[in-house]
Amino acid sequence: GENVEQHPSTLSVQEGDSAVIKCTYSDSASNYFPWYKQELGKRPQLIIDIRSNVGEKKDQRIAVTLNKTAKHFSLHITETQPEDSAVYFCAASAGHTDKLIFGTGTRLQVFP
Amino acid sequence: EPEVTQTPSHQVTQMGQEVILRCVPISNHLYFYWYRQILGQKVEFLVSFYNNEISEKSEIFDDQFSVERPDGSNFTLKIRSTKLEDSAMYFCASSVNRVATGELFFGEGSRLTVL
Repeated sequence: GENVEQHPSTLSVQEGDSAVIKCTYSDSASNYFPWYKQELGKRPQLIIDIRSNVGEKKDQRIAVTLNKTAKHFSLHITETQPEDSAVYFCAASAGHTDKLIFGTGTRLQVFP
Repeated sequence: EPEVTQTPSHQVTQMGQEVILRCVPISNHLYFYWYRQILGQKVEFLVSFYNNEISEKSEIFDDQFSVERPDGSNFTLKIRSTKLEDSAMYFCASSVNRVATGELFFGEGSRLTVL
């Protein structure tokens, strides 16, 4: 069935360092890959997304790369700041449907 | 900026009781969804709704669950007879276009606690 695996489950970095979170998906028909940031007790908020016709997308300190052949995509955060601390979820669209399949989340802690 | 709004923010109920969670999607959005998140776990798809009917539902969305758009603004999730394992945060979401072509906007969530 459809599945999205996400690693690592926790990630601790020093302020200013980079953080990388990786996801793999199983459905070759997936064509939309958003990343969400969720602070404690809050809603998931979209921070960046990428579609299958693009290999890389960047928005200031955040970038996402997609390798469709290998079915994996990654989130890169550069120059991390304490306010980047949150749980990050990757997701993939499930084939030709209207649902997103979410990864299991990565708890990022940025230490000052 | 327009937002998806949800009520109640927190509901405590006894096992076996009916619960209705309410959502007001963003006004020009056409696709509506419910997702849930058990504490500390990932977000899981429950159901999508378009053109006044369910377009897709997950295995979680069994006969105890139903959705309705009773008027032009509200979108509700009903759980007929709650179980302990229904305790979770329930997120409503909406989008202008199908999820593969448009951003999904989430509400703040309704936390359901079943005792």
